Amino acid sequence: DAGITQSPRHKVTETGTPVTLRCHQTENHRYMYWYRQDPGHGLRLIHYSYGVKDTDKGEVSDGYSVSRSKTEDFLLTLESATSSQTSVYFCAISEGRTNTEAFFGQGTRLTVV
Amino acid sequence: AQSVTQLGSHVSVSEGALVLLRCNYSSSVPPYLFWYVQYPNQGLQLLLKYTSAATLVKGINGFEAEFKKSETSFHLTKPSAHMSDAAEYFCAVSTNRDDKIIFGKGTRLHILP
Repeated sequence: DAGITQSPRHKVTETGTPVTLRCHQTENHRYMYWYRQDPGHGLRLIHYSYGVKDTDKGEVSDGYSVSRSKTEDFLLTLESATSSQTSVYFCAISEGRTNTEAFFGQGTRLTVV
Repeated sequence: AQSVTQLGSHVSVSEGALVLLRCNYSSSVPPYLFWYVQYPNQGLQLLLKYTSAATLVKGINGFEAEFKKSETSFHLTKPSAHMSDAAEYFCAVSTNRDDKIIFGKGTRLHILP
């Protein structure tokens, strides 16, 4: 299995609080992605990174920010969590060139109450 | 921008019957196409991928998919369903002009005894 660790695996937080999810990889892959998975919507891309300090927006980036200061870590921050951000969040990594597959972490289940 | 459409959010087949999961893509440039499977409470794992080498792609667990440019399709098939195939399946697309990997909404496969 690809070395991808997401933390925390589960989190319950209150509306309006900041939340940071962490994705850590040991594969030295260039690309890292954050997706959210919701029933009826499949996986939607939030943000992605193509190198240290190089990030770009995905389909549903509003309300989220990311940072990548090291190759191995990709952080997803909800500055002020809302109930609509209750979801399962997946991190994925890829070697780069878009003809290679993405490897996924186990997911983080976030509940905003 | 590229996109994929998966026809049928739920598909039920009898054990031993043919599995057919449909995926159509939209892309202005040659696509790379992927099928992923997700078992309950797990991340996604790659079943197979199309990267322009061959139009008929064989994957793990007896699955295969055929790229048909004229139909903009990449349907997933398996000759004989097994109970262990019950899962959610996602089609995804990327291109060499864009680092994003975009997923469809998923199809949940149910296997009837």
